[in-house]
Amino acid sequence: DQQVKQNSPSLSVQEGRISILNCDYTNSMFDYFLWYKKYPAEGPTFLISISSIKDKNEDGRFTVFLNKSAKHLSLHIVPSQPGDSAVYFCAASARTNAGKSTFGDGTTLTVKP
Amino acid sequence: NAGVTQTPKFQVLKTGQSMTLQCAQDMNHEYMSWYRQDPGMGLRLIHYSVGAGITDQGEVPNGYNVSRSTTEDFPLRLLSAAPSQTSVYFCASSYSKGQGNTIYFGEGSWLTVV
Repeated sequence: DQQVKQNSPSLSVQEGRISILNCDYTNSMFDYFLWYKKYPAEGPTFLISISSIKDKNEDGRFTVFLNKSAKHLSLHIVPSQPGDSAVYFCAASARTNAGKSTFGDGTTLTVKP
Repeated sequence: NAGVTQTPKFQVLKTGQSMTLQCAQDMNHEYMSWYRQDPGMGLRLIHYSVGAGITDQGEVPNGYNVSRSTTEDFPLRLLSAAPSQTSVYFCASSYSKGQGNTIYFGEGSWLTVV
């Protein structure tokens, strides 16, 4: 039973447009959510996070939205740039167990010039 | 600032051989963990540690062993390599609970078992 799901394996958008990546979770114990970005042959790097006490967090071009009732979060990238092309992983954890994050399968974003 | 350092970056093993993937972090993080990533799949947790002397199993612990004798080091041992263990392995570390759950990853170790 996969507790964190990213249902879209890939997404392609034009440069300058909005990219929306989605993530669903099933475990009600999760109260902290993160997005990681991964380039080929590199380790994932932290992008943005949100705790369950908030429904939105912004950092520059990146915004994460959390809908707790639907157990759904999304990452918005505006405007999208070719350098944003990467695999994006959604992850969830409980604050009481920081080292045990559960990851989705990732969405490959391609931003076309 | 080195962050999380893993070695080796690439390794080819024969079925039945054993080996150790090394991992070290210099951020004084309490939490360390090992993940594997298979093609088209996310990161799956193998083992993790909440501090020196304490380890626990993740989602896919079979065939792997870990120990945590110091805060800095968290080696992953493959006891008897199998082709199913061909994967990319990521070591990671993070702050303790209550300080944010951001995980810092190493660059990965590509392991092929033939």
